[in-house]
Amino acid sequence: DAMVIQNPRYQVTQFGKPVTLSCSQTLNHNVMYWYQQKSSQAPKLLFHYYDKDFNNEADTPDNFQSRRPNTSFCFLDIRSPGLGDAAMYLCATSSSSGGNEKLFFGSGTQLSVL
Amino acid sequence: RKEVEQDPGPFNVPEGATVAFNCTYSNSASQSFFWYRQDCRKEPKLLMSVYSSGNEDGRFTAQLNRASQYISLLIRDSKLSDSATYLCVVGDSGYSTLTFGKGTMLLVSP
Repeated sequence: DAMVIQNPRYQVTQFGKPVTLSCSQTLNHNVMYWYQQKSSQAPKLLFHYYDKDFNNEADTPDNFQSRRPNTSFCFLDIRSPGLGDAAMYLCATSSSSGGNEKLFFGSGTQLSVL
Repeated sequence: RKEVEQDPGPFNVPEGATVAFNCTYSNSASQSFFWYRQDCRKEPKLLMSVYSSGNEDGRFTAQLNRASQYISLLIRDSKLSDSATYLCVVGDSGYSTLTFGKGTMLLVSP
């Protein structure tokens, strides 16, 4: 049974056209993360929520926003996608944020920007 | 800046070979260490945690050397299904998040 679900699996958008990626979880975990992963690169943390507390990484561009309306759902909004934003976007959860918790990943959304 | 560095790949090995991956981390305050496995175009999945005393899970052995800030993963008797990218992941103490290495790709051939 899927525990962290991302939709869609593949997303194509146009340069500059806003796009939203979604993530839901059935684990009731406090923490939800969004990572960006480009080919042959490490997953790069964009931001995370600890419950409703939003934590933005210092180098995450303003073009990336996030919403967490409730425990189960988290959204990644890209306001004006550029060609450089084409990547795999991974949602993950953990039960706490102490740097020593196992991450549960969704299957990712592969974003293409035309 | 926290950094996690891994062997550049790919590693090409025949079935049955033993292969070792190395990883170094920059933050001496790091407290938790993991190896994740990532198949092509799939999400990372936890392979094993790494404990100070070293730990083994079947054909996989992980070692930690805190003094040298070094982590290793040894795979014995490689299988075709072991072909994947192996990510070294390090966590700090307290309220923090995990730092991923770029990964080392392993290709096991018949």
